Amino acid sequence: GENVEQHPSTLSVQEGDSAVIKCTYSDSASNYFPWYKQELGKGPQLIIDIRSNVGEKKDQRIAVTLNKTAKHFSLHITETQPEDSAVYFCAATRGRAGGTSYGKLTFGQGTILTVHP
Amino acid sequence: NAGVTQTPKFQVLKTGQSMTLQCAQDMNHNSMYWYRQDPGMGLRLIYYSASEGTTDKGEVPNGYNVSRLNKREFSLRLESAAPSQTSVYFCASSVTGPWDGYTFGSGTRLTVV
Repeated sequence: GENVEQHPSTLSVQEGDSAVIKCTYSDSASNYFPWYKQELGKGPQLIIDIRSNVGEKKDQRIAVTLNKTAKHFSLHITETQPEDSAVYFCAATRGRAGGTSYGKLTFGQGTILTVHP
Repeated sequence: NAGVTQTPKFQVLKTGQSMTLQCAQDMNHNSMYWYRQDPGMGLRLIYYSASEGTTDKGEVPNGYNVSRLNKREFSLRLESAAPSQTSVYFCASSVTGPWDGYTFGSGTRLTVV
């Protein structure tokens, strides 16, 4: 099955700096890669996703890049703010035609991001 | 619009006791999921239900059972709780699958002593 490794496990930055979180995956058939943000005491919330036919996607201060050859993808947050402090999870899955992995989203271990004012 | 509602929010069990975690969604989603979250291990899939009437094992199903009661409700049962099942449990739903984006509940923090 799919295995997703996420680094770093903790990341501390100053307000206004950029933050980068990296993930690698093992299943070359995976083609959907979402990122979730979990604030304290809440469930994770989808913040951005990328599909395998796209190399980069941006949404205001956040962006995700995907390198299918190397099987890794990254989350970039620019101009960080204290409200960006949270746990971030990457994930991967095959699409609708994914055979036995159909419907299963595999998460990375999570990154605790702290933005200091 | 409540989204995904989980009950209870907190629970303490003694080893060997049983309990059912409840999950309900009001978004007319077809797929529902149960995950557990442990420090340093991310979110691991316990069971999922791709549609009403179907359930499938995830990565860590041992010690758990599920019931997709109807389209709205998906419950998780621990028949004989063990300390290794101490965790935070999240229910999630999606329109048809992960590619639609999950909506998570706020979680149940379970401690087994």
